[in-house]
Amino acid sequence: LAKTTQPISMDSYEGQEVNITCSHNNIATNDYITWYQQFPSQGPRFIIQGYKTKVTNEVASLFIPADRKSSTLSLPRVSLSDTAVYYCLVGSNTGGFKTIFGAGTRLFVKA
Amino acid sequence: GAVVSQHPSWVICKSGTSVKIECRSLDFQATTMFWYRQFPKQSLMLMATSNEGSKATYEQGVEKDKFLINHASLTLSTLTVTSAHPEDSSFYICSARVNQETQYFGPGTRLLVL
Repeated sequence: LAKTTQPISMDSYEGQEVNITCSHNNIATNDYITWYQQFPSQGPRFIIQGYKTKVTNEVASLFIPADRKSSTLSLPRVSLSDTAVYYCLVGSNTGGFKTIFGAGTRLFVKA
Repeated sequence: GAVVSQHPSWVICKSGTSVKIECRSLDFQATTMFWYRQFPKQSLMLMATSNEGSKATYEQGVEKDKFLINHASLTLSTLTVTSAHPEDSSFYICSARVNQETQYFGPGTRLLVL
Protein backbone atom coordinates (compact mmCIF):
# COMPACT_ATOMS: atom_id res chain seq x y z
CA LEU A 1 0.00 0.00 0.00
CA ALA A 2 1.36 3.39 -0.94
CA LYS A 3 1.97 5.62 2.05
CA THR A 4 1.06 9.27 1.75
CA THR A 5 2.70 12.30 3.32
CA GLN A 6 1.03 15.71 3.60
CA PRO A 7 1.72 18.89 5.53
CA ILE A 8 0.05 18.71 8.93
CA SER A 9 -1.54 22.13 8.67
CA MET A 10 -1.89 25.18 6.44
CA ASP A 11 -3.31 28.65 6.92
CA SER A 12 -4.85 30.81 4.23
CA TYR A 13 -7.07 33.84 3.79
CA GLU A 14 -10.41 34.09 2.12
CA GLY A 15 -10.21 34.52 -1.63
CA GLN A 16 -6.77 33.00 -1.97
CA GLU A 17 -5.84 29.91 -3.93
CA VAL A 18 -4.66 27.04 -1.76
CA ASN A 19 -2.42 24.25 -2.97
CA ILE A 20 -1.95 21.15 -0.84
CA THR A 21 0.71 18.70 -1.94
CA CYS A 22 0.76 15.01 -1.14
CA SER A 23 3.77 12.73 -1.55
CA HIS A 24 3.23 9.09 -2.48
CA ASN A 25 6.61 7.77 -3.58
CA ASN A 26 5.55 4.14 -3.63
CA ILE A 27 2.46 4.58 -5.77
CA ALA A 28 1.70 1.51 -7.86
CA THR A 29 0.85 1.40 -11.54
CA ASN A 30 -2.84 0.75 -10.95
CA ASP A 31 -3.28 3.24 -8.09
CA TYR A 32 -5.56 6.23 -8.37
CA ILE A 33 -5.21 9.37 -6.26
CA THR A 34 -8.29 10.59 -4.43
CA TRP A 35 -8.77 13.61 -2.22
CA TYR A 36 -11.38 13.90 0.50
CA GLN A 37 -12.53 16.75 2.72
CA GLN A 38 -13.67 16.20 6.28
CA PHE A 39 -15.46 18.56 8.63
CA PRO A 40 -15.64 17.84 12.38
CA SER A 41 -18.06 15.06 13.28
CA GLN A 42 -18.81 14.26 9.64
CA GLY A 43 -17.69 11.56 7.24
CA PRO A 44 -15.13 12.42 4.56
CA ARG A 45 -16.54 13.96 1.41
CA PHE A 46 -15.17 13.07 -2.04
CA ILE A 47 -13.54 16.06 -3.72
CA ILE A 48 -11.63 14.85 -6.76
CA GLN A 49 -9.83 11.86 -8.21
CA GLY A 50 -7.18 11.39 -10.87
CA TYR A 51 -4.64 9.04 -12.35
CA LYS A 52 -2.26 11.36 -14.21
CA THR A 53 -1.85 14.91 -15.54
CA LYS A 54 -4.62 17.30 -14.56
CA VAL A 55 -8.21 16.85 -13.49
CA THR A 56 -10.62 19.68 -12.82
CA ASN A 57 -14.15 19.76 -11.48
CA GLU A 58 -16.46 22.42 -10.10
CA VAL A 59 -14.69 22.65 -6.75
CA ALA A 60 -11.02 21.81 -7.28
CA SER A 61 -8.18 20.85 -9.57
CA LEU A 62 -5.77 17.99 -9.16
CA PHE A 63 -2.30 18.14 -10.64
CA ILE A 64 -0.28 14.94 -11.02
CA PRO A 65 3.24 15.01 -12.48
CA ALA A 66 4.45 12.42 -14.93
CA ASP A 67 6.21 10.30 -12.29
CA ARG A 68 3.01 10.29 -10.16
CA LYS A 69 5.05 10.35 -6.95
CA SER A 70 3.16 13.38 -5.75
CA SER A 71 -0.06 15.23 -6.38
CA THR A 72 -1.36 18.71 -5.64
CA LEU A 73 -4.90 19.62 -4.74
CA SER A 74 -5.72 23.17 -5.77
CA LEU A 75 -8.65 25.00 -4.20
CA PRO A 76 -9.43 28.27 -5.99
CA ARG A 77 -10.58 31.27 -3.97
CA VAL A 78 -11.15 29.57 -0.64
CA SER A 79 -13.79 30.73 1.80
CA LEU A 80 -14.20 30.29 5.54
CA SER A 81 -16.32 27.21 4.89
CA ASP A 82 -13.32 25.46 3.33
CA THR A 83 -11.74 25.16 6.77
CA ALA A 84 -11.46 21.40 7.14
CA VAL A 85 -9.07 18.46 7.06
CA TYR A 86 -8.05 17.28 3.61
CA TYR A 87 -6.91 13.72 3.01
CA CYS A 88 -4.99 12.33 0.07
CA LEU A 89 -5.59 8.64 -0.55
CA VAL A 90 -3.87 6.29 -2.93
CA GLY A 91 -5.45 2.99 -3.82
CA SER A 92 -6.76 0.67 -6.48
CA ASN A 93 -8.37 -2.64 -7.06
CA THR A 94 -4.97 -4.28 -6.65
CA GLY A 95 -4.76 -6.15 -3.38
CA GLY A 96 -8.47 -5.95 -2.78
CA PHE A 97 -8.82 -2.18 -2.74
CA LYS A 98 -7.77 -1.15 0.71
CA THR A 99 -6.94 2.45 1.42
CA ILE A 100 -5.10 3.70 4.46
CA PHE A 101 -5.63 7.23 5.65
CA GLY A 102 -2.62 9.38 6.39
CA ALA A 103 -2.68 12.21 8.90
CA GLY A 104 -4.32 14.66 6.51
CA THR A 105 -3.81 18.42 6.20
CA ARG A 106 -5.73 20.74 8.48
CA LEU A 107 -6.57 23.85 6.45
CA PHE A 108 -7.59 26.96 8.35
CA VAL A 109 -9.05 29.79 6.31
CA LYS A 110 -9.05 33.19 7.95
CA ALA A 111 -11.13 36.23 7.15
CA GLY B 1 -25.55 9.91 -6.66
CA ALA B 2 -23.44 7.61 -4.50
CA VAL B 3 -25.07 8.39 -1.16
CA VAL B 4 -24.17 6.42 1.93
CA SER B 5 -26.22 6.66 5.09
CA GLN B 6 -25.58 5.53 8.65
CA HIS B 7 -27.96 4.91 11.49
CA PRO B 8 -27.99 5.98 14.20
CA SER B 9 -26.06 9.23 13.93
CA TRP B 10 -25.27 9.09 17.61
CA VAL B 11 -25.86 6.63 20.43
CA ILE B 12 -25.25 6.55 24.17
CA CYS B 13 -25.21 3.21 25.93
CA LYS B 14 -24.27 1.67 29.24
CA SER B 15 -21.09 -0.31 29.65
CA GLY B 16 -21.62 -3.99 28.88
CA THR B 17 -24.38 -3.54 26.34
CA SER B 18 -24.18 -4.11 22.61
CA VAL B 19 -24.76 -1.49 19.95
CA LYS B 20 -25.56 -2.02 16.28
CA ILE B 21 -24.69 0.55 13.61
CA GLU B 22 -26.14 0.30 10.11
CA CYS B 23 -24.50 1.45 6.90
CA ARG B 24 -26.57 1.67 3.74
CA SER B 25 -25.77 2.54 0.14
CA LEU B 26 -28.89 4.39 -0.95
CA ASP B 27 -28.63 4.62 -4.70
CA PHE B 28 -26.14 1.97 -5.68
CA GLN B 29 -25.13 -1.54 -4.81
CA ALA B 30 -21.93 -2.10 -2.91
CA THR B 31 -20.30 -5.48 -2.76
CA THR B 32 -17.59 -4.02 -0.55
CA MET B 33 -17.99 -1.71 2.42
CA PHE B 34 -15.44 -0.53 4.93
CA TRP B 35 -15.62 0.35 8.61
CA TYR B 36 -13.40 3.00 10.15
CA ARG B 37 -12.96 4.40 13.62
CA GLN B 38 -11.82 7.91 14.36
CA PHE B 39 -10.73 9.36 17.69
CA PRO B 40 -10.70 13.12 18.32
CA LYS B 41 -8.07 15.02 16.36
CA GLN B 42 -6.89 11.83 14.69
CA SER B 43 -7.17 10.33 11.25
CA LEU B 44 -9.50 7.54 10.25
CA MET B 45 -8.35 4.05 11.15
CA LEU B 46 -9.53 1.16 9.01
CA MET B 47 -11.11 -1.54 11.15
CA ALA B 48 -12.40 -4.04 8.64
CA THR B 49 -13.47 -4.73 5.09
CA SER B 50 -16.98 -6.07 4.65
CA ASN B 51 -17.82 -8.15 1.60
CA GLU B 52 -21.37 -9.08 0.73
CA GLY B 53 -22.08 -12.71 1.42
CA SER B 54 -18.76 -13.51 3.05
CA LYS B 55 -16.89 -12.98 6.27
CA ALA B 56 -15.37 -9.62 6.98
CA THR B 57 -11.63 -9.11 6.90
CA TYR B 58 -10.33 -7.40 10.01
CA GLU B 59 -7.25 -5.25 10.33
CA GLN B 60 -4.50 -6.28 12.69
CA GLY B 61 -5.35 -5.45 16.27
CA VAL B 62 -9.11 -5.27 15.73
CA GLU B 63 -11.00 -7.94 17.69
CA LYS B 64 -13.44 -9.68 15.40
CA ASP B 65 -15.48 -11.02 18.32
CA LYS B 66 -15.77 -7.52 19.70
CA PHE B 67 -16.74 -5.81 16.47
CA LEU B 68 -19.16 -8.05 14.59
CA ILE B 69 -19.71 -7.17 10.96
CA ASN B 70 -22.51 -8.49 8.78
CA HIS B 71 -22.95 -7.65 5.10
CA ALA B 72 -26.10 -9.55 4.27
CA SER B 73 -27.19 -7.57 1.22
CA LEU B 74 -25.68 -5.39 -1.48
CA THR B 75 -26.92 -2.24 0.23
CA LEU B 76 -26.50 -2.93 3.94
CA SER B 77 -23.61 -3.64 6.26
CA THR B 78 -23.88 -3.62 10.03
CA LEU B 79 -21.29 -3.19 12.76
CA THR B 80 -22.17 -4.46 16.21
CA VAL B 81 -20.01 -3.38 19.11
CA THR B 82 -20.48 -6.16 21.64
CA SER B 83 -20.13 -5.65 25.38
CA ALA B 84 -19.18 -2.05 24.84
CA HIS B 85 -16.84 -0.31 27.26
CA PRO B 86 -15.91 3.36 27.66
CA GLU B 87 -12.75 2.87 25.58
CA ASP B 88 -14.97 1.91 22.64
CA SER B 89 -16.38 5.41 22.60
CA SER B 90 -15.46 6.86 19.24
CA PHE B 91 -16.71 8.10 15.89
CA TYR B 92 -17.47 5.18 13.59
CA ILE B 93 -17.60 5.79 9.86
CA CYS B 94 -18.50 3.41 7.08
CA SER B 95 -17.80 3.69 3.38
CA ALA B 96 -19.04 1.87 0.33
CA ARG B 97 -17.05 1.05 -2.75
CA VAL B 98 -18.63 2.69 -5.77
CA ASN B 99 -16.23 1.44 -8.42
CA GLN B 100 -12.76 -0.02 -8.67
CA GLU B 101 -11.07 3.14 -7.49
CA THR B 102 -13.58 5.07 -5.37
CA GLN B 103 -15.34 4.82 -2.04
CA TYR B 104 -17.99 7.13 -0.64
CA PHE B 105 -18.37 7.69 3.07
CA GLY B 106 -21.31 7.77 5.41
CA PRO B 107 -21.91 10.66 7.81
CA GLY B 108 -20.57 8.73 10.78
CA THR B 109 -21.98 7.49 14.09
CA ARG B 110 -20.89 8.94 17.42
CA LEU B 111 -20.81 6.27 20.13
CA LEU B 112 -20.54 7.17 23.79
CA VAL B 113 -20.29 4.35 26.30
CA LEU B 114 -20.97 5.30 29.90
